[in-house]
Amino acid sequence: DTGVSQNPRHKITKRGQNVTFRCDPISEHNRLYWYRQTLGQGPEFLTYFQNEAQLEKSRLLSDRFSAERPKGSFSTLEIQRTEQGDSAMYLCASSSQTQLSSYEQYFGPGTRLTVT
Amino acid sequence: GDSVTQMEGPVTLSEEAFLTINCTYTATGYPSLFWYVQYPGEGLQLLLKATKADDKGSNKGFEATYRKETTSFHLEKGSVQVSDSAVYFCALGNAGGTSYGKLTFGQGTILTVHP
Repeated sequence: DTGVSQNPRHKITKRGQNVTFRCDPISEHNRLYWYRQTLGQGPEFLTYFQNEAQLEKSRLLSDRFSAERPKGSFSTLEIQRTEQGDSAMYLCASSSQTQLSSYEQYFGPGTRLTVT
Repeated sequence: GDSVTQMEGPVTLSEEAFLTINCTYTATGYPSLFWYVQYPGEGLQLLLKATKADDKGSNKGFEATYRKETTSFHLEKGSVQVSDSAVYFCALGNAGGTSYGKLTFGQGTILTVHP
């Protein structure tokens, strides 16, 4: 297994456009997390899935953001009508289900979004 | 809500110097504490963890002790190497309520080690 992968690695878009990012977790991990990281800050939690169920969403996840994890495998994060404030690194992480190991999250390299 | 505060950086050291990066937290209940590291061009990696008060996490020569009385989890290394240059993030995980598996991160500390 090569770890968590994310695509694309970089995305430049114009304000108002929609963008979609993909995350492929480690295959045996049933929990998947999305975080957002802005320059000089630590990652901020956005949402997480256990299998295909989205169990928690942060208030940071406005109604322009939607995440899915069909069939409990890969996940997509879509941002509609992008704004300049959406420019950030979007990180995906996965973990296994046991209580403690859920915190041992394996992160992907991230997708850097730039909204012009 | 939960929060993590790290010492302001960046930190610049010479090789073989002693490293301390301070981390304090605010949380309800009994959180688990973590240090994650991000090497240049790579994703975040778990460096070490501690799950209860007075636990010491250690890995790759780094250590951190979970101090409940001071709500701290400072990262230390006795002799840093150039290869330790990275960004270090303190984080907490709080299994209380519905935030199962959610990590709360500090703002990160950039460490640069010169030969």
